[in-house]
Amino acid sequence: NAGVTQTPKFQVLKTGQSMTLQCAQDMNHNSMYWYRQDPGMGLRLIYYSASEGTTDKGEVPNGYNVSRLNKREFSLRLESAAPSQTSVYFCASREFGEKLFFGSGTQLSVL
Amino acid sequence: DAKTTQPTSMDCAEGRAANLPCNHSTISGNEYVYWYRQIHSQGPQYIIHGLKNNETNEMASLIITEDRKSSTLILPHATLRDTAVYYCIVRVYGTTDSWGKLQFGAGTQVVVTP
Repeated sequence: NAGVTQTPKFQVLKTGQSMTLQCAQDMNHNSMYWYRQDPGMGLRLIYYSASEGTTDKGEVPNGYNVSRLNKREFSLRLESAAPSQTSVYFCASREFGEKLFFGSGTQLSVL
Repeated sequence: DAKTTQPTSMDCAEGRAANLPCNHSTISGNEYVYWYRQIHSQGPQYIIHGLKNNETNEMASLIITEDRKSSTLILPHATLRDTAVYYCIVRVYGTTDSWGKLQFGAGTQVVVTP
């Protein structure tokens, strides 16, 4: 049972490049989330998907798009990366209430 | 959601109990207390949650005061692997639209020493 799997673990981009962060969960959870974590800022919600086929904006959605490909997978896309998007990105899925399972994160640097 | 206040940091000796306080004096009757922790370079990990009764699981115990204005997370026998930032979060057990939109504050940095 892998839980929540994120790829890649590390990525370096140049300003303006695009990339997609992948997330998959094997716990049959309906809801999935993308957070970013910056030093001194805590975790902030980017986008979430309450169920397959739906997505909604979180606290800091600008510069990102998401796709809930199926019940297992929820991807985060940066269309034109900016230095301000340098951060650690975490994907999570929700079992019930506020019990979330997080992936191990993607460390992204935008130069 | 009610605001929480936690100490910035605390140390604990390996093998001893770690008692982590959290103040949530504005908590309302339908808000739960959740605890997460984040070990360095890993994603946050759910620990435990409760409404008003004390709760225990394989990781920790949660003691909530009778007036619910504060709580304590207890790690009964701290190990070096318990070194992490611990977050106390208060949330209404809400609707689909609100679930998962957690706000993690600064938390308490716990260092377990040999």
